[in-house]
Amino acid sequence: NAGVMQNPRHLVRRRGQEARLRCSPMKGHSHVYWYRQLPEEGLKFMVYLQKENIIDESGMPKERFSAEFPKEGPSILRIQQVVRGDSAAYFCASSTRDVNIQYFGAGTRLSVL
Amino acid sequence: LAKTTQPISMDSYEGQEVNITCSHNNIATNDYITWYQQFPSQGPRFIIQGYKTKVTNEVASLFIPADRKSSTLSLPRVSLSDTAVYYCLVGEAGSYQLTFGKGTKLSVIP
Repeated sequence: NAGVMQNPRHLVRRRGQEARLRCSPMKGHSHVYWYRQLPEEGLKFMVYLQKENIIDESGMPKERFSAEFPKEGPSILRIQQVVRGDSAAYFCASSTRDVNIQYFGAGTRLSVL
Repeated sequence: LAKTTQPISMDSYEGQEVNITCSHNNIATNDYITWYQQFPSQGPRFIIQGYKTKVTNEVASLFIPADRKSSTLSLPRVSLSDTAVYYCLVGEAGSYQLTFGKGTKLSVIP
């Protein structure tokens, strides 16, 4: 049973470009979460999605960031017009209905030059 | 949201038992205590969850005193591969916004 799969593992973008981060949840999990981790910090919640629905995006910046979890395919976290401050590790997690036990992917490390 | 306090770092020799204590003085009646482990360049991994008394699984034990204002994660006979950051989280059942602090960086020494 494959775990949460994230790709790419590393992503380098220049300022102003777009970054697309993908996440395939564990089989049987319909709840997906995105977190961001800055160096030497704990993870910070960004958004919670179920299939085709955004449940809570209170942790996501209002501009340039968006997330989706379509009926078919992986969840996508999209960052438009990236800036240096977006450099971080972005982790996706998934769960069953037991939402406070979440299973994390290995993360995507975004570097903005 | 109950605030948690745990040591920034701990060192241990291989083969020893390690106990990491987390303080959560403002824990609410509906809150559970959950521990995650994070290796460098990896996402956090769920270790154990409890509400009161003692919980044990194949990886660790979690001790929670009657007043629930603290909890202790116990790792039996650690090995080098247990070197990681350990996070104590407190939250209500059904709460999906996991709140990670800075955790405890455990270094296991040969």
